[in-house]
Amino acid sequence: DPKIIQKPKYLVAVTGSEKILICEQYLGHNAMYWYRQSAKKPLEFMFSYSYQKLMDNQTASSRFQPQSSKKNHLDLQITALKPDDSATYFCASSQDPGTINERLFFGHGTKLSVL
Amino acid sequence: GEQVEQLPSILRVQEGSSASINCSYEDSASNYFPWYKQEPGENPKLIIDIRSNMERKQIQELIVLLDKKAKRFSLHITDTQPGDSAMYFCAATGNAPRFGAGTKLSVKP
Repeated sequence: DPKIIQKPKYLVAVTGSEKILICEQYLGHNAMYWYRQSAKKPLEFMFSYSYQKLMDNQTASSRFQPQSSKKNHLDLQITALKPDDSATYFCASSQDPGTINERLFFGHGTKLSVL
Repeated sequence: GEQVEQLPSILRVQEGSSASINCSYEDSASNYFPWYKQEPGENPKLIIDIRSNMERKQIQELIVLLDKKAKRFSLHITDTQPGDSAMYFCAATGNAPRFGAGTKLSVKP
């Protein structure tokens, strides 16, 4: 019974298109994150949100836009997709960052392939 | 953001022996150092962590050591088993955890 739900599990897109990766967590956590994993850069930090506000951002491209409609949702919109964007995108959450309850819990990932 | 170096990238050991993975970080403000294990096709899962107010922590066969002055921390797996074969990632946390590049551990029976 996964507590962090990522949709879809697999996603195939064409170059130049736009996709939204969905993430919902039912752990009651206040912080959510996006990480990207590819052969080139394992577990690369992208964004962190706390109480629906951006805390940290290491993504260089504005093509990647997180969207948080609720505290337990952090979707990732990717525009103008490129083949280099192909990777597994992991959503994660933690109770309270910067405190004793900052352990990350990961979703099962969305594997994106851009053709 | 925090940069974390992790070595070795590949580690092969014989069943029953020990395995050690070393990480270093740059930001002296980092205060939380988790370790994650990732099996093929799975998500990373926390196996052990240590905070900056500790130097050593052990959970069963897992030992983590932290040297704050040197900005280094390490994971030691004693009495390795084939089930320990996986990718292992260290991380250092300021705002959000930044991960090392990973170590692929293979334990030969």
